[in-house]
Amino acid sequence: KAGVTQTPRYLIKTRGQQVTLSCSPISGHRSVSWYQQTPGQGLQFLFEYFSETQRNKGNFPGRFSGRQFSNSRSEMNVSTLELGDSALYLCASSLGTGNSNSPLHFGNGTRLTVT
Amino acid sequence: AQSVTQLGSHVSVSEGALVLLRCNYSSSVPPYLFWYVQYPNQGLQLLLKYTTGATLVKGINGFEAEFKKSETSFHLTKPSAHMSDAAEYFCAVSENSGGSNYKLTFGKGTLLTVNP
Repeated sequence: KAGVTQTPRYLIKTRGQQVTLSCSPISGHRSVSWYQQTPGQGLQFLFEYFSETQRNKGNFPGRFSGRQFSNSRSEMNVSTLELGDSALYLCASSLGTGNSNSPLHFGNGTRLTVT
Repeated sequence: AQSVTQLGSHVSVSEGALVLLRCNYSSSVPPYLFWYVQYPNQGLQLLLKYTTGATLVKGINGFEAEFKKSETSFHLTKPSAHMSDAAEYFCAVSENSGGSNYKLTFGKGTLLTVNP
């Protein structure tokens, strides 16, 4: 079974631009979560989607948004990029049945650099 | 909201030595606990998880962790470190965010260095 696939692996953008990151979950997984990882803040939860609906949201500004498609694939968008948005963005999928012990399966991430 | 504290952002051991990575959590209800490992330029991989039942949990690559409710701890151990264990390790707790919705809260991570 293929794992979680994130594209692209690396991105370089300029301040003020916008960016879209893509995530394909493991087949059969209906929940997709996004995390931002930085050396200073560690792993911070962005949001989670389940069956095309945002089910959970972290404490990030409205510039960060996402969506999920009917095939469970998800995209994350960041508008008006700031230097502080430079980070590794990780996507994770799970069965999402509401069972709290259902583990997350992570992709290898997209490394975003904002200059 | 629950929180996870990993004591020691960096732990260094010799090859063959005991590995002990510490994790404490705050929770008012029985938690579900996880350890993940992250190798350079990769995502996180599940090492082990505690849900209910036996408090000593065995995971992949020879790691295990013990849930101690009285100490609110879930420390990760491995009897003998191998060079390939060098990575960053994250402890996480599952948090109920309303109804049947849960999300993981991660600790800051512990970077494990293994010296030859």
